[in-house]
Amino acid sequence: DIVMTQTPLSLSVTPGQPASLSCKSSQSLLHSDGKTYLYWYLQKPGQPLQLLIYEVSNRFSGVPDRFSGSGSGTDFTLKISRVEAEDVGVYYCMQSIQFPLLTFGGGTKVEIK
Amino acid sequence: QVQLVESGGGVVQPGRSLRLSCATSGYTFSSYGMYWVRRAPGKGLEWVAVIWYDGSKKYYADSVKGRFTISRDDSKNTLYLQMNSLRPEDTAVYYCARDKGVVAAFLDFWGQGTLVTVSS
Repeated sequence: DIVMTQTPLSLSVTPGQPASLSCKSSQSLLHSDGKTYLYWYLQKPGQPLQLLIYEVSNRFSGVPDRFSGSGSGTDFTLKISRVEAEDVGVYYCMQSIQFPLLTFGGGTKVEIK
Repeated sequence: QVQLVESGGGVVQPGRSLRLSCATSGYTFSSYGMYWVRRAPGKGLEWVAVIWYDGSKKYYADSVKGRFTISRDDSKNTLYLQMNSLRPEDTAVYYCARDKGVVAAFLDFWGQGTLVTVSS
């Protein structure tokens, strides 16, 4: 199984400052169809997981443009250009190249200073 | 808007059974595959089972194979997870999620989860 490793475990950010979250996979997530199946989710306290980014860098419908995803192969990053209070929660990366088997990172908890 | 609401969780003794439901609304249920994913206390997210949009294929994680059964009722827009021979390690919050992927899974909407506690 592909192992997904997220760093840091937690992040405390001043509102208005940027944040960078890392996700590394034990194998390449590049599919033979040319797409890379890496997703980012946010779980806010008491709420369902919400999709932020799909296929590395595509923002899902309604996601603010302060969120951006980048990376390739086995190394991926989620950036928040200016953190807002509503961005607190736990961020997860997920791979689906081994479909139907999915694996998730352990999560990065983002808090506001 | 798309909504997924899980129910059926609770406290159950080891070896007993439980059936979870995921009621959906806001979209054409029969056009999408569906996943169950769980998170045990203090652990990460783990996929449990998936069912194709037409019910033709079902896959299970090794940890639940032979004990859990995923199913769907398109007339009720509802997904199910029948859990038999429950073990303490099945204690977790169980989430259902919609899959709009074709080549690979693309989970775009999730429910809020239902807690299953397996304990004597």
